[in-house]
Amino acid sequence: GAGVSQSPSNKVTEKGKDVELRCDPISGHTALYWYRQRLGQGLEFLIYFQGNSAPDKSGLPSDRFSAERTGESVSTLTIQRTQQEDSAVYLCASSLSGGSAGELFFGEGSRLTVL
Amino acid sequence: GQSLEQPSEVTAVEGAIVQINCTYQTSGFYGLSWYQQHDGGAPTFLSYNALDGLEETGRFSSFLSRSDSYGYLLLQELQMKDSASYFCAVDPISSGSARQLTFGSGTQLTVLP
Repeated sequence: GAGVSQSPSNKVTEKGKDVELRCDPISGHTALYWYRQRLGQGLEFLIYFQGNSAPDKSGLPSDRFSAERTGESVSTLTIQRTQQEDSAVYLCASSLSGGSAGELFFGEGSRLTVL
Repeated sequence: GQSLEQPSEVTAVEGAIVQINCTYQTSGFYGLSWYQQHDGGAPTFLSYNALDGLEETGRFSSFLSRSDSYGYLLLQELQMKDSASYFCAVDPISSGSARQLTFGSGTQLTVLP
């Protein structure tokens, strides 16, 4: 596609439920990132995928968070047993490679609200 | 670790020049980036300084001084559409090949008519 596409754009869920967020990166981009942005805050790194290499999961805040990526295409971020503090916008970004972090292309995010 | 500090809010009038500062504490990084984010929108890349000095792109310029642990984004001929949040970010050397970005908390710029 023309840009990074994320779905759903909005998700409201009850505490304790699992949610799955999807990201379609720009075609041909080998690097894919997930970030979290709480209201009025900066972006917090969660996880990074580069080609077929093992993902960098160092930013995942707990074992309730996991992510997968199929080859160099779609990625899904799963949050299990959601908590109210998980409420945030989850942003996905892609880049041609991991070599120039100054050129990330972001999607518009999935806004998660946990009641 | 890394931390970046930016003013939380800046207000200026249309046609003016505004400078958004970013000071950082980091053990080492490849470069300093700036991103713009309109309310509810995707962050969009503005500039990247790998070396000290000034980078100019149209009405926007970005500056980096590693010796002063300081950078800034300069916006000239402000327009109403420039009202947005602006984030500085570094890609720390400690992240290795991941080149993940560490972001500041952002500066909300309001441009008044």
